[in-house]
Amino acid sequence: GNSVTQMEGPVTLSEEAFLTINCTYTATGYPSLFWYVQYPGEGLQLLLKATKADDKGSNKGFEATYRKETTSFHLEKGSVQVSDSAVYFCALSESRMKTSYDKVIFGPGTSLSVIP
Amino acid sequence: SQTIHQWPATLVQPVGSPLSLECTVEGTSNPNLYWYRQAAGRGLQLLFYSVGIGQISSEVPQNLSASRPQDRQFILSSKKLLLSDSGFYLCAWSSGGAADTQYFGPGTRLTVL
Repeated sequence: GNSVTQMEGPVTLSEEAFLTINCTYTATGYPSLFWYVQYPGEGLQLLLKATKADDKGSNKGFEATYRKETTSFHLEKGSVQVSDSAVYFCALSESRMKTSYDKVIFGPGTSLSVIP
Repeated sequence: SQTIHQWPATLVQPVGSPLSLECTVEGTSNPNLYWYRQAAGRGLQLLFYSVGIGQISSEVPQNLSASRPQDRQFILSSKKLLLSDSGFYLCAWSSGGAADTQYFGPGTRLTVL
């Protein structure tokens, strides 16, 4: 079945360091790919998404490119801030009709701590 | 714009007591609704989903149940809580269709003692 694998961390970086969180997936067909972020004590927020191969999602300085050939969707940011400390979830969505439901498969999450 | 509410925000309950968590969505109609549980330090587990009023599907067997009495209301219940029910419960909605984004509520932190 479909699955998502991501580095679990925790990842600790100094402020202004470069961030990469790896995410790879297994899927039949052509899923959409997502990165969600969860700040301490809160629900998940959509960070960015890509719906087809070679699409690049971007938001708040974060980027991820849908690579079908390597089945990857790695999250990157050029210069992290303390406020980026959170848990990041990679996810994929199986395309379904409204009569079914939008099954989203989440990775285990990667905890990021950014220190001043 | 759409908003999603959950309450209570935190809850401490004794083992064997009943549970009722509520989720409501505003600003959209006929959403798909979802209940997830997030155990401490772990990923998300889909518990229930609903594509319409009165339509509930369960992903995992457990002592929890869900109901959807109104289009934008989703309730998670239990008759008798177990210690293993402790966790962070998240409600989410999507507008349906292929590969649509899910939007999450703020969550309810449940501790069963």
